[in-house]
Amino acid sequence: DTEVTQTPKHLVMGMTNKKSLKCEQHMGHRAMYWYKQKAKKPPELMFVYSYEKLSINESVPSRFSPECPNSSLLNLHLHALQPEDSALYLCASSQGGRGKFNNEQFFGPGTRLTVL
Amino acid sequence: AQKVTQAQTEISVVEKEDVTLDCVYETRDTTYYLFWYKQPPSGELVFLIRRNSFDEQNEISGRYSWNFQKSTSSFNFTITASQVVDSAVYFCALKDGGYNKLIFGAGTRLAVHP
Repeated sequence: DTEVTQTPKHLVMGMTNKKSLKCEQHMGHRAMYWYKQKAKKPPELMFVYSYEKLSINESVPSRFSPECPNSSLLNLHLHALQPEDSALYLCASSQGGRGKFNNEQFFGPGTRLTVL
Repeated sequence: AQKVTQAQTEISVVEKEDVTLDCVYETRDTTYYLFWYKQPPSGELVFLIRRNSFDEQNEISGRYSWNFQKSTSSFNFTITASQVVDSAVYFCALKDGGYNKLIFGAGTRLAVHP
């Protein structure tokens, strides 16, 4: 099963709201990723988790807070976002592990976020 | 510094035409990995292929083929007999051996018309 699922598919939130994006994979992958993609642009890496530990934070503002409760789940907590944070948020996973970070990443369908 | 250039912003073809998407990369590393992803209008990035820097064999998968040339730092993607379902944005990406980050090109939007 090569599937990464994300919920919700669409989210509209105000600047004072708190919301969370969820991502799940059951491929036994040990690396998980959050990307942000603006319209007509390539995805931009936000965070990388390796073995449930944060290994890369691409200088993302603290209003985005990632969490990896276990090896299958990845959350992105959102608080006090700005309208410019509106984008498609993509989750991905890859095999990870010694010598395996170069494997391909499998992406979920994304969450389209609109901040009003 | 690592960089991926996809010079073709948009390509429009008629069904059954062959089309080649160009990808040129820059890296100082001797070990690196190249990828192609397809992003249909639904938004999900679909993995198509990974190629390692030490394996210059070209690859064919059905109507898809990839030409990897280290001498010109290119990893081009050809779709033979294109179909309307091939309409999507295609991204070429690079990853070096040491840092777990994909460097994406700007993408090429392919429109296949009936």
